[in-house]
Amino acid sequence: NAGVTQTPKFQVLKTGQSMTLQCAQDMNHEYMSWYRQDPGMGLRLIHYSVGAGITDQGEVPNGYNVSRSTTEDFPLRLLSAAPSQTSVYFCASSASRALGSPLHFGNGTRLTVT
Amino acid sequence: AQSVTQLDSQVPVFEEAPVELRCNYSSSVSVYLFWYVQYPNQGLQLLLKYLSGSTLVESINGFEAEFNKSQTSFHLRKPSVHISDTAEYFCAVSEADAGGTSYGKLTFGQGTILTVHP
Repeated sequence: NAGVTQTPKFQVLKTGQSMTLQCAQDMNHEYMSWYRQDPGMGLRLIHYSVGAGITDQGEVPNGYNVSRSTTEDFPLRLLSAAPSQTSVYFCASSASRALGSPLHFGNGTRLTVT
Repeated sequence: AQSVTQLDSQVPVFEEAPVELRCNYSSSVSVYLFWYVQYPNQGLQLLLKYLSGSTLVESINGFEAEFNKSQTSFHLRKPSVHISDTAEYFCAVSEADAGGTSYGKLTFGQGTILTVHP
C-alpha cells in the first residue's frame, strides 16, 4: 500500500544544474499536485494536473516544469536551479471530482541549491 | 482569491492541558476546510475536514474543529493534549467551482507548531 512515492528524499544541486523530482501514486487518482514548503510560509502550490495530458500553473510556477503522460506519474523539473528553490517539495494526489476530496501527500524531497 | 491565516506560529503547552490553534480564512464562495498534521520528516496527513452539515467536526484522536461562517474561522481544539501531539498543524481551504468540485486544490495557512511539554 505505497500511496504517493517521492524520489529522491534528499538532493543537493549547484546553481544552474537541472534535475527532475519524481512522484508516483498507485491510487488511480486523477488529481496530482506539487507544493513547496518554506518556513513560515506554509505550502504553496507550484503546478497541478487534473488528469493525464492536462497541467496548469499554481501560485509559484516560475522555474518549474511539469508533464503528466500517465495517471500514475507527475514529475517536477527544475531546468536551471537557483538558491531560491531551496525548499522541501511535496507531491500530493486526490480523487478529483469528489466533494472536498482530501490530499494524500508523499514524504517530501528536501532540495538544497548552493 | 482565497487565503488562510493561522494566527499563532508556535503554541507551547504542557501535557494534559487544553489547546486551541486558530485559523481564519477569506473567500467569496463556498469553501471546504481542512486541518492537516505534519510530524517531523513526514508528509502532511489529513486530521479532519468540514464539507457541509454539522459545523463541529471531530478526528479519531480527540481533536475537533468548529466552522464559524460569520467569523470565517475554523479553529482546532483538543481538551487534553499528549506528548505525541507535538507536530506542525496546517489549516487549508478549498473553493468549490460551479459544479461543486474542488479538485483538491488547497490554499494552506502558514502552519502552527504545537509543542507539548511533559
